[in-house]
Amino acid sequence: GAVVSQHPSRVICKSGTSVKIECRSLDFQATTMFWYRQFPKQSLMLMATSNEGSKATYEQGVEKDKFLINHASLTLSTLTVTSAHPEDSSFYICSARLGSGYTFGSGTRLTVV
Amino acid sequence: AQTVTQSQPEMSVQEAETVTLSCTYDTSESDYYLFWYKQPPSRQMILVIRQEAYKQQNATENRFSVNFQKAAKSFSLKISDSQLGDAAMYFCAHCTGNQFYFGTGTSLTVIP
Repeated sequence: GAVVSQHPSRVICKSGTSVKIECRSLDFQATTMFWYRQFPKQSLMLMATSNEGSKATYEQGVEKDKFLINHASLTLSTLTVTSAHPEDSSFYICSARLGSGYTFGSGTRLTVV
Repeated sequence: AQTVTQSQPEMSVQEAETVTLSCTYDTSESDYYLFWYKQPPSRQMILVIRQEAYKQQNATENRFSVNFQKAAKSFSLKISDSQLGDAAMYFCAHCTGNQFYFGTGTSLTVIP
């Protein structure tokens, strides 16, 4: 079946540095990808919708300058957390639409120390 | 506003028994999809079952079935013959266009 590959699965970074998370669609083209954030024992909250070749659409309250999204090809979307702070520590998940269904990446656990 | 409500933060079921997880949603759209996703400790989101709103027939996938009541905006998940591997967080989700709305989840424990 269609797979979305997300890397890295875990990352620890120092406060003030930037971290890039990649989301690749394998064996299908994803013109739209979605980025979610999940705090412990909470639901997934949509952060932004990533559109190939155009600017991402951010949800209300999400800082677009802090969470940079690039969707330069039909198979790759990246989320860069800039100047990371401990409060950015969370679980980030990407998703891509395929037909009427959605498939999710395996997630990235980000810890900012 | 689109909302999805899961009123059961935690549920438990004896192995081999049946359990039903509740979900209600609110939408003004007529065309939408409903999903149940499972999230085990690995945090990977796994699709359990999907229902198109225009279909009256309840979706089934092996041991998993739904009770879709469109007028009541209810979408419950029934797990039959529960197995230890069913233990996970279960999220109900409503999707219209490209907008996904997740419920707060139900943590299911399966008791051996």
